[in-house]
Amino acid sequence: EVQMVESGGGLVQPGRSLRLSCAASGFTFDDYTLHWVRQVPGRGLEWVSSIDWKSDSLRYADSVKGRFTISRDNAKNSLFLQMNSLKAQDTAIYYCAKLVGASYWGQGTLVTVSP
Amino acid sequence: NFMLTQPQSVSESPGKTVTISCSRSSGSIALNYVQWYQQRPGSSPITVIYEDYQRPSGVPDRFSGSIDTSSNSASLSISGLRAEDEADYYCQSFDSSSGHWVFGGGTKLTVL
Repeated sequence: EVQMVESGGGLVQPGRSLRLSCAASGFTFDDYTLHWVRQVPGRGLEWVSSIDWKSDSLRYADSVKGRFTISRDNAKNSLFLQMNSLKAQDTAIYYCAKLVGASYWGQGTLVTVSP
Repeated sequence: NFMLTQPQSVSESPGKTVTISCSRSSGSIALNYVQWYQQRPGSSPITVIYEDYQRPSGVPDRFSGSIDTSSNSASLSISGLRAEDEADYYCQSFDSSSGHWVFGGGTKLTVL
């Protein structure tokens, strides 16, 4: 059974940092490009960042470029998102996901940026 | 980046067929595959269509996808509507020029 489990969300003040983690199992982790996608509760999905299997190609949405860093550890089947200089507009549920083919998504972790 | 535009909401009666459109703002819709996701309240999205028209195992054949180059859009059709199909549906594609992945704004399907 495929599982993707995010952790690391919580309440953080504007300007501070947070690191999200995603533990994956049940599929060949290092075969795939992986993503972070976020969703403001009640709103639509927004792609945030992606990383290819070798960590050679890192991509970021314009809204987070320069503040967020995606990384992965294939030996530990783990995906990460380092989020710096957080803003109120970054408040959302953050999902890790494999989007190619039949997608796999985690359950999401809520990040709230507020004073 | 191009944009993917979907209607905010659609509604139809049980047993009927509904079609949700996804219009690409620039560049050909055929250039990159389109995926469709279903998201029920309180749940993570799941794929109902990938690579324009492919169905993952477990997704009923009531769900079908297509692209139309003349209108530069993709469509998701759901036939034999059931109450359980009531959800938000998102289209998604890839922007080759920027390397960014793009989601449509989502369509809320109400089964009356």
